[in-house]
Amino acid sequence: RKEVEQDPGPFNVPEGATVAFNCTYSNSASQSFFWYRQDCRKEPKLLMSVYSSGNEDGRFTAQLNRASQYISLLIRDSKLSDSATYLCVVNISSGSARQLTFGSGTQLTVLP
Amino acid sequence: DAGVTQSPTHLIKTRGQHVTLRCSPISGHKSVSWYQQVLGQGPQFIFQYYEKEERGRGNFPDRFSARQFPNYSSELNVNALLLGDSALYLCASSFTPNTGELFFGEGSRLTVL
Repeated sequence: RKEVEQDPGPFNVPEGATVAFNCTYSNSASQSFFWYRQDCRKEPKLLMSVYSSGNEDGRFTAQLNRASQYISLLIRDSKLSDSATYLCVVNISSGSARQLTFGSGTQLTVLP
Repeated sequence: DAGVTQSPTHLIKTRGQHVTLRCSPISGHKSVSWYQQVLGQGPQFIFQYYEKEERGRGNFPDRFSARQFPNYSSELNVNALLLGDSALYLCASSFTPNTGELFFGEGSRLTVL
């Protein structure tokens, strides 16, 4: 079983739609959680951190359920510029370091 | 300010050869991590260095090695290249090793023939 699992998609949605991505992680010792965004043939960039109480950044809302080891990302009012691969990331402490473990990503295409 | 810079951006090697990839972190960042990204997959952790010391190592064979220099730049070395080493190698820097906010370079795309 992969440490971080995501639905690979692709998700093809019209502009203005709401879309949700899900992610599960296997290591209960995971300490912090993030969503990264990766445009085609570009480097990943941090989109937002995910907090236990849930958090929102504009059109983006992230949720964490530690009991179910489940993370979600909701995008409202999708824009063409939201087209990208969304990577679910967990941060596991290992000795003196924390290792970021990435999911395989969920591909989103927003259609005009 | 310059972001994370990596070199070379593209390279082609043959099986059995050796490769060295280089990374310069954002100014002020003392932690450098290396990731391998195979097409269609997320980045996979290889190494993390902080203050010139190895802080973490992923599940990669001993053919992979790295080091960090006094100016916090880093290099990743891969010996005895295999076809399966073909991937995008990403370097990321951060202020500290215990953060989820990594700043990635554009990567070095390695093709092994």
